[in-house]
Amino acid sequence: DTGVSQDPRHKITKRGQNVTFRCDPISEHNRLYWYRQTLGQGPEFLTYFQNEAQLEKSRLLSDRFSAERPKGSFSTLEIQRTEQGDSAMYLCASSLTGGVNSPLHFGNGTRLTVT
Amino acid sequence: DAKTTQPPSMDCAEGRAANLPCNHSTISGNEYVYWYRQIHSQGPQYIIHGLKNNETNEMASLIITEDRKSSTLILPHATLRDTAVYYCIVRVDNAGNMLTFGGGTRLMVKP
Repeated sequence: DTGVSQDPRHKITKRGQNVTFRCDPISEHNRLYWYRQTLGQGPEFLTYFQNEAQLEKSRLLSDRFSAERPKGSFSTLEIQRTEQGDSAMYLCASSLTGGVNSPLHFGNGTRLTVT
Repeated sequence: DAKTTQPPSMDCAEGRAANLPCNHSTISGNEYVYWYRQIHSQGPQYIIHGLKNNETNEMASLIITEDRKSSTLILPHATLRDTAVYYCIVRVDNAGNMLTFGGGTRLMVKP
């Protein structure tokens, strides 16, 4: 399978705990995006990387959220001190380049439930 | 960013063509029209995109009007597995080039 891979698929955690998600993009894709999707809504942009550089963050990305892409390959998204409002599907996408003509390819997401 | 307008839901009979409309009347010259779909519990799946010309691939056809203010995604022979939410997105050509999703159209293919 050469698509975008996300791990874990599901995560249940208690409020106040920290969680970390991993995304492995399609090989040689330079651009990597994180999105969040709540029930019944379309995905919302969180942040993106060009290689290892994080170039933009949405205002949705509070200071409890941090994302990294240390070697320009896989990426991690960490949420500290989780809150019930963080419950959502976290989606990762990658594209070959950052160009507007380069489609994003999404993984199947990590579904987070905060109890 | 240009916004899109799609009907919230549509039905289609299995084996028939599904024609999903999208209005994007404020689209600018350097903005592409993208279509994605999302099947329950999966991530969005890229379908097709175009700038001004009609496009076709193994999944679908994209028809863009000459003034580019609207487009139609055509699934030529819909199957039950095509039941999904279909998103029409106008992608702005800027540094981030991220996709901004709206509400989409929930397509139900019925036997």
